[in-house]
Amino acid sequence: NAGVTQTPKFQVLKTGQSMTLQCAQDMNHEYMSWYRQDPGMGLRLIHYSVGAGITDQGEVPNGYNVSRSTTEDFPLRLLSAAPSQTSVYFCASSYSFGVSYEQYFGPGTRLTVT
Amino acid sequence: AQKVTQAQTEISVVEKEDVTLDCVYETRDTTYYLFWYKQPPSGELVFLIRRNSFDEQNEISGRYSWNFQKSTSSFNFTITASQVVDSAVYFCALSESGGSSNTGKLIFGQGTTLQVKP
Repeated sequence: NAGVTQTPKFQVLKTGQSMTLQCAQDMNHEYMSWYRQDPGMGLRLIHYSVGAGITDQGEVPNGYNVSRSTTEDFPLRLLSAAPSQTSVYFCASSYSFGVSYEQYFGPGTRLTVT
Repeated sequence: AQKVTQAQTEISVVEKEDVTLDCVYETRDTTYYLFWYKQPPSGELVFLIRRNSFDEQNEISGRYSWNFQKSTSSFNFTITASQVVDSAVYFCALSESGGSSNTGKLIFGQGTTLQVKP
């Protein structure tokens, strides 16, 4: 199993540009989520999904959209990038929706918005 | 509100020293899980341990050990005989319950950067 994969690993955008961060998992996990990591702030939840066709907002959803058309994929879209979105983005998945399941993280995407 | 505090921003030790990373959490839930993740310089997040709120037994895994104390809302992590390869950022996290409002999210502390010098 490849686990959780993310592409690209690095990306530089100009303010106002749009892009999609890709996330895929091959473990047939129901639950997927996106976090951003900023210095001194740990990781914060952006959006999450409890299954195909179901998404919801996390702690810091503004400026991001998500969709979940398949169990495997959970892309994160930046519609109009802003410098405040410069961060490292992690996608995670777990077996199901619940507190007891370990979340597996992807390798991360480092995004810089100039 | 749920919160995780890792008061130690950076710790520096010399190889073979023991080191303890502190984690204090706040939650109103009676059912919750606590986690530790390691983030080495390569950047990925590596799962270390999960502990549920009903199990206060300490756990040992090789050089790693965890002390969970509900009375002080703490879940501290000790590395015995530290090695250079232990150099990383360590995150403590809380998974809230919340019943029907459960987002399944992990609430992370700010992280502790551990540097182990040879």
